[in-house]
Amino acid sequence: DAMVIQNPRYQVTQFGKPVTLSCSQTLNHNVMYWYQQKSSQAPKLLFHYYDKDFNNEADTPDNFQSRRPNTSFCFLDIRSPGLGDAAMYLCATSTRTSAQETQYFGPGTRLLVL
Amino acid sequence: GEDVEQSLFLSVREGDSSVINCTYTDSSSTYLYWYKQEPGAGLQLLTYIFSNMDMKQDQRLTVLLNKKDKHLSLRIADTQTGDSAIYFCAESLGATNKLIFGTGTLLAVQP
Repeated sequence: DAMVIQNPRYQVTQFGKPVTLSCSQTLNHNVMYWYQQKSSQAPKLLFHYYDKDFNNEADTPDNFQSRRPNTSFCFLDIRSPGLGDAAMYLCATSTRTSAQETQYFGPGTRLLVL
Repeated sequence: GEDVEQSLFLSVREGDSSVINCTYTDSSSTYLYWYKQEPGAGLQLLTYIFSNMDMKQDQRLTVLLNKKDKHLSLRIADTQTGDSAIYFCAESLGATNKLIFGTGTLLAVQP
């Protein structure tokens, strides 16, 4: 059974047109993460939620926002996508933020910006 | 600083052992992970090691950690074609459990 679900698997948007990617989890984990993985690169953390507390990485562009309406769902909003935002976006969850807590990843959503 | 490096590519024959290497720079890392990523897919956790250990074995996988040299390796015994994928090592930093990923190693298994 899928534990971290991301929809859609592929998303096409136009330059400058807002887009939302979604993530849901059945693990009841407290923490949800969003990573960006550009082609042939390592995943890079954008931000995470610990319960309702939002934690942004210092170098995450303002163009990227996130919402977490409840424990199960977390959304990634890209306000004005540029060509450079085309990437795979990975959602992950963990029970807590301490180092020994394994992060479980979803299958990712690949975003294409035209 | 935060920097995790891996060799880009490894090719092995089916049935041989594969060894994927990783170096990291942050000595405060407490947990180190290996993830597998198949084409177009998300990250699958393979194994992890706590920094006070120097070896961990899990079926065909053996993780070796040299904390002094900040060197981590993943050995896959009896490599199969289904093991072909990109392998990422990652270190977990501090209180936020932020994962810093290496550049990934593409493992190609020749039949």
